[in-house]
Order: sequence, then C-alpha cells, then structure tokens
Amino acid sequence: GENVEQHPSTLSVQEGDSAVIKCTYSDSASNYFPWYKQELGKRPQLIIDIRSNVGEKKDQRIAVTLNKTAKHFSLHITETQPEDSAVYFCAAISDSWGKLQFGAGTQVVVTP
Amino acid sequence: EAQVTQNPRYLITVTGKKLTVTCSQNMNHEYMSWYRQDPGLGLRQIYYSMNVEVTDKGDVPEGYKVSRKEKRNFPLILESPSPNQTSLYFCASSLSRDAEAFFGQGTRLTVV
Repeated sequence: GENVEQHPSTLSVQEGDSAVIKCTYSDSASNYFPWYKQELGKRPQLIIDIRSNVGEKKDQRIAVTLNKTAKHFSLHITETQPEDSAVYFCAAISDSWGKLQFGAGTQVVVTP
Repeated sequence: EAQVTQNPRYLITVTGKKLTVTCSQNMNHEYMSWYRQDPGLGLRQIYYSMNVEVTDKGDVPEGYKVSRKEKRNFPLILESPSPNQTSLYFCASSLSRDAEAFFGQGTRLTVV
C-alpha cells in the first residue's frame, strides 16, 4: 500500500519569509496529492491539490510542486503571515487503492 | 448549506459499552471515510466507502465497524470500545476518491 512521509514535523518562520514542506510517497500509481490545513481546534480544510499529470500549481501565496520520478511533492508558502500558523497535512491516493494516505503533519508557526 | 455533520462532538464512555458515532452529508457525495487523529500520527484512515453498500478497510480498522446503507450516512460503530480507542475522530466526504474531502466537526472520544 501507499506510505507518505512528511518533513519537517515542525517549522518556525519569521513573518514574510517562505515556508516549504516536503512529502514523499511510495506507490508510483498515486495520482492525486492534496494538502490540508488544520487550525487549532478546527477540522482539516483543503488548501490546494495537484494531480499526477501536472508538475506545479499555484494559488496566490501557495504553490505545490510534484516530481513523479522522485516520488515527492512539496508545499510552498510565500510571504507568510501569522494566520498561516497551523498544522499542514499532505496526502496521496493511488489509482490502485481507495485509501487516502496522510502524512504525519507539519506544525507551522509564523512569528511576527 | 453544504456540510458534513457528525454526532456527538464529545463522548466519554466506559470500556466495553457499544457506541455509534453518526456521520451525515448533504452533498450527494459518493466517497465517505472515517479517520482518527492522534498526536504525532496525523490522520489515519479507519474505513472508507466508495458508494452505497461498498466499504473497505483503511489503515487502522481493528475494533471498528461501519455501514453504508444510504448515500448520505456513514456511521462508525465501536462494538466494545477500549482505552486505546481514545482519540479525535473525523468523518469526511468527497465527490470521488480523488476530490476535495469535506470534514465533519470532529468527535472527541474518551474511553475509560
């Protein structure tokens, strides 16, 4: 089955700097890679996703890149703001499986 | 309003006393799933359902049961809860397995 590893587990950045979170996956048949943000005490919410036929996707200050050869994908947040402080989860799902596999999460803290 | 509703939000129970956590969605989604969230372990999928009467095990199915008799409902059943099932549980639904997942508010379960 699929295995998703996420790094780092915690990330502290100064407001205005960039944050990068990396995930690797094991199943080469994986074809959908969403990113979820979970604020303290709230439910996870999708912030961006990418499919295997695309190498990069941007949405304002957020971007995701996918390297299928190396089997890794990354979340980039530019010009970080205090409201970006949250736990971020990457995930992957394979065409072969119905299971959505999540990474262990990254706690991002943006300090003013 | 499009939403996923799970109940109860909080539950304290005793070991061995059967319980059901309900989950309902009003978006006509085909894919529904249950997750448990534990510190440092991220979101782990318990069971998922691709459609009515179609369910399958996730990564941590032991001690849980589910059913999908109607499209909108996907209850999680703990026949004989044990303290290691103390966790935060989320139900989620999506149009398909590779689409945005909408999460319920979460159920914090404590088994003593």
